[in-house]
Amino acid sequence: DVKVTQSSRYLVKRTGEKVFLECVQDMDHENMFWYRQDPGLGLRLIYFSYDVKMKEKGDIPEGYSVSREKKERFSLILESASTNQTSMYLCASSVRGGGSMNTEAFFGQGTRLTVV
Amino acid sequence: RKEVEQDPGPFNVPEGATVAFNCTYSNSASQSFFWYRQDCRKEPKLLMSVYSSGNEDGRFTAQLNRASQYISLLIRDSKLSDSATYLCVVNKDSSASKIIFGSGTRLSIRP
Repeated sequence: DVKVTQSSRYLVKRTGEKVFLECVQDMDHENMFWYRQDPGLGLRLIYFSYDVKMKEKGDIPEGYSVSREKKERFSLILESASTNQTSMYLCASSVRGGGSMNTEAFFGQGTRLTVV
Repeated sequence: RKEVEQDPGPFNVPEGATVAFNCTYSNSASQSFFWYRQDCRKEPKLLMSVYSSGNEDGRFTAQLNRASQYISLLIRDSKLSDSATYLCVVNKDSSASKIIFGSGTRLSIRP
């Protein structure tokens, strides 16, 4: 079974703290993604990575950075947490498909982050 | 305009009914399409891929209309367990590296 594991289910952090969210996948997937999910807004892509040390901005990268030093691990960093970053964060991974190949994304269980 | 748009619902239908959702996408070069299901407080999981010729999996039928840039999901003989949020997903480029999710359509099946 594919497994995508996020380090925490629930986190509470203070405004201004540096926050690390970790994600590990065990399927040797090339692609990894970080999304946040908010009511009425759906899943919004923060960053993604298609290879080790490679990263690309998604739709809402401001206030976030990422690190991919190893293929199986993709970290999301909140440099200085703010209350508007309170959200559900979802990590996903997929194989790198091509052409019309349909590639499924597998998700971790999510981290609910509250910034107070 | 959002890249992938869905009616947020909620759709509230009786058990046994047939229900259909549409999803529109803006990038005509989009390569692959999916429907995901997300239960309350859980992560999204793949329901089915959407092929150009349309595809069926039991009570679920997915269709793709490239000319009008939409995909659809039809659920026949709906069950209480079908209650969930259904997310439309589009891969924007041929490398499948950028997956875009719609905001989801909430479906509630009542007894």
